[in-house]
Amino acid sequence: AQSVTQPDIHITVSEGASLELRCNYSYGATPYLFWYVQSPGQGLQLLLKYFSGDTLVQGIKGFEAEFKRSQSSFNLRKPSVHWSDAAEYFCATRSGTYKYIFGTGTRLKVLA
Amino acid sequence: SQTIHQWPATLVQPVGSPLSLECTVEGTSNPNLYWYRQAAGRGLQLLFYSVGIGQISSEVPQNLSASRPQDRQFILSSKKLLLSDSGFYLCAWSPTEWAELFFGSGTQLSVL
Repeated sequence: AQSVTQPDIHITVSEGASLELRCNYSYGATPYLFWYVQSPGQGLQLLLKYFSGDTLVQGIKGFEAEFKRSQSSFNLRKPSVHWSDAAEYFCATRSGTYKYIFGTGTRLKVLA
Repeated sequence: SQTIHQWPATLVQPVGSPLSLECTVEGTSNPNLYWYRQAAGRGLQLLFYSVGIGQISSEVPQNLSASRPQDRQFILSSKKLLLSDSGFYLCAWSPTEWAELFFGSGTQLSVL
């Protein structure tokens, strides 16, 4: 069965600094990968997705992610973090027919 | 455009009381529907999913049940709540088995 690991529970960065959130997955075939963002008490919003093709995926809010099959990774990046990016970020993947599994999340704190 | 509605936003219930959470999707037909529960630090746990009216797949044996009485309506229920049922419940939908999930705004359930 597929799985998703987000090794960093908390990350703190200064506003304007670059950001990289890590995600590792296990898969049996071509993975379908997603990054979501969640503000406190809210639902999850899709930032970007990877199904196939170009391994560098652009998303909303200035985020991008790179699929690296050799490293089983799908890390999320942003060149310059804004205070409004403080939230919890979830990596997810398809797991069998109709199912999606999520990592445990990375909580991002942004220092002014 | 498609929208998902989930209510109530917050709910405080005594142990042993019944539960009914409702989710509806507008602007699409025959969506795949999902109930997830989110506990702090544990990511999202898939509870139920449905690919059609009356079709419910249960992922975790527990005190909860789900029903899909109409194409775009998904209901999460319990006859008698337990303390362990407390959590943040999220409804989601997907247009196909190969697409991303779209989430509702969630219900914070506290069982006291």
